[in-house]
Amino acid sequence: DSGVTQTPKHLITATGQRVTLRCSPRSGDLSVYWYQQSLDQGLQFLIQYYNGEERAKGNILERFSAQQFPDLHSELNLSSLELGDSALYFCASSVGGIRGAGIKYGYTFGSGTRLTVV
Amino acid sequence: AQTVTQSQPEMSVQEAETVTLSCTYDTSESDYYLFWYKQPPSRQMILVIRQEAYKQQNATENRFSVNFQKAAKSFSLKISDSQLGDAAMYFCAFSMGGSEKLVFGKGMKLTVNP
Repeated sequence: DSGVTQTPKHLITATGQRVTLRCSPRSGDLSVYWYQQSLDQGLQFLIQYYNGEERAKGNILERFSAQQFPDLHSELNLSSLELGDSALYFCASSVGGIRGAGIKYGYTFGSGTRLTVV
Repeated sequence: AQTVTQSQPEMSVQEAETVTLSCTYDTSESDYYLFWYKQPPSRQMILVIRQEAYKQQNATENRFSVNFQKAAKSFSLKISDSQLGDAAMYFCAFSMGGSEKLVFGKGMKLTVNP
């Protein structure tokens, strides 16, 4: 157990629907990162939050949004789902700190949520 | 833009032997970090080893070591005394200093034969 908890582990939904993926970071970690892993795109950075604030944005679609709550858990919302959104979605966490500090020792990944859009 | 290339999609090694996984990257920055992550069938991403670009000394973690060639922009991973549990996808990743975003290579599948 890495200490980063992601729920649910599996999710099957229909095109056009909306889903919410949840992530609880390791105790003491303030930064949360979301990644998408698909067969054609590989692992892609989506977004980072630090202590409730958005810190960096990657290749995140406008149909996707995220937030980090006061208790530091984070949610990734995916809407108007398409078949191509089927992927493994990872959350990771790190202690964070000043900008750039969170990567120094690498971060800890959760076990992912497998999303299948049918 | 930074890119990470893992040119070998698959490799195999005999148990107890040594194997080297290759990775090259492209950046104009001088301050950055490099990582190897392992993804076993359980799909968990596990950090294997990390290297800071300003450190000349190659990182080592037990049976895992790297050969970091900064001028050649090469960052290979050597696994010694391979074990069945080493079978996994291995991803090389890069992060520019000041950024916390990881750029991953496409991965390489390692098979360990008993």
